[in-house]
Amino acid sequence: DGGITQSPKYLFRKEGQNVTLSCEQNLNHDAMYWYRQDPGQGLRLIYYSQIVNDFQKGDIAEGYSVSREKKESFPLTVTSAQKNPTAFYLCASSKGRADTQYFGPGTRLTVL
Amino acid sequence: AQTVTQSQPEMSVQEAETVTLSCTYDTSESDYYLFWYKQPPSRQMILVIRQEAYKQQNATENRFSVNFQKAAKSFSLKISDSQLGDAAMYFCAYRSALSTSYGKLTFGQGTILTVHP
Repeated sequence: DGGITQSPKYLFRKEGQNVTLSCEQNLNHDAMYWYRQDPGQGLRLIYYSQIVNDFQKGDIAEGYSVSREKKESFPLTVTSAQKNPTAFYLCASSKGRADTQYFGPGTRLTVL
Repeated sequence: AQTVTQSQPEMSVQEAETVTLSCTYDTSESDYYLFWYKQPPSRQMILVIRQEAYKQQNATENRFSVNFQKAAKSFSLKISDSQLGDAAMYFCAYRSALSTSYGKLTFGQGTILTVHP
């Protein structure tokens, strides 16, 4: 089955640690995105990538980093510089920039 | 910058009845796309319906339809014959058609829909 997978589903981090969230898709989509969702708010864009080996900052990129070495994968690293990382993180992909985005099941990150 | 506003934090409906969720947006662009996404308790975002701004005809998808009023910058979602499985958080989202927009979705704050049996 084609789709987007995110792992882990739940992640706990101690303050000062970096953690990496996985996002994989087998839809042969070129574009991939990372969004953050906080309670009572809509999603906000962290990073996006339109092609392999290229990515750009979104609206709230500070404290995050990404890589896009393979078309299928777009991991997000939450660094210790991110001041309030506890949130729900959603990965999305689309065939192209102008196409509909489809979302993965999300990762809930909690900082202890 | 574009903004999307959902003025109804919560709505409720009886099973089999009809409910309308409101969404307004602000943009200076003439070409764009609008979406409604559903987020059930599992928290996975599911596309409900999509509307292209250049199309005058309102989009429909089975029991879901929209009322797109471009001049008023309004994009409401109507759910007919509501079912218990429709209970979820609903998000309205905007996407510019400009090539420089990189496909970014701008979301509203969401509306929690409760369906009563």
